[in-house]
Amino acid sequence: IAGITQAPTSQILAAGRRMTLRCTQDMRHNAMYWYRQDLGLGLRLIHYSNTAGTTGKGEVPDGYSVSRANTDDFPLTLASAVPSQTSVYFCASSAGGDTDTQYFGPGTRLTVL
Amino acid sequence: GQNIDQPTEMTATEGAIVQINCTYQTSGFNGLFWYQQHAGEAPTFLSYNVLDGLEEKGRFSSFLSRSKGYSYLLLKELQMKDSASYLCAVRDSNYQLIWGAGTKLIIKP
Repeated sequence: IAGITQAPTSQILAAGRRMTLRCTQDMRHNAMYWYRQDLGLGLRLIHYSNTAGTTGKGEVPDGYSVSRANTDDFPLTLASAVPSQTSVYFCASSAGGDTDTQYFGPGTRLTVL
Repeated sequence: GQNIDQPTEMTATEGAIVQINCTYQTSGFNGLFWYQQHAGEAPTFLSYNVLDGLEEKGRFSSFLSRSKGYSYLLLKELQMKDSASYLCAVRDSNYQLIWGAGTKLIIKP
C-alpha cells in the first residue's frame, strides 16, 4: 500500500441500508478526514480525527459516523442511507506541522436509490 | 458565514498563461491552499501560502494578499494536461479547511 486507499471504488445502495466506506493510510499521519464532494459545491467536511482514539464533527455530520481505533484506518458509516447521501466521498490524511497539507485517497462514488 | 469564491470555468490556449482568482471571507486565516483535480480523480496538492507574496513552483505560482482576502494561481506555458479543476481552500481559526467550489480550466490547442 502506498498513500491512502479507499474501498469500494463505487457502490449503488438501496435507501435504508447500512454502508461502511473504508479508508486506510500507510503514511503514519496523525490526522484523517472524510469529505463529500457534490457538483457545484466545494468539498465539505463530514468528520475528522486528529489522532487515534479521537473524532470530531465537521460541517455536515448528520447521518454519518466514524471511528478511529488505530492510526491507519478511518471508516465512515452510513447507518441508514438516504438519496441525499449520493455523492463522491474522499478520505484524506495529514501529518501536522506548519503546512499540515492534506493528501487524498482516490474516492468512493456512492449512489443511494 | 464563511465563503470562498472562484470563477466556475475558464478557457485558455495551449502555451499561454492563465490566472485563476480566489477571494475568501473566513473566520480566521491560517493558510491558503491550491489543489488540482482531474475529472474523476482525487485532489492533489499544488501550493500553500501563509504570508503575503508570491510562491513560485515551476510553471505554477500562487499569490496571497491577506489584507484583501485574495489569492491567485498563475499557470504558465499551459499544456493540455493542465485541463482540470483548481480548488482554493482556506484554513480557518478552527484549523479546518474551507473549500471553494473549484474552477474548471479548459485548455484549447
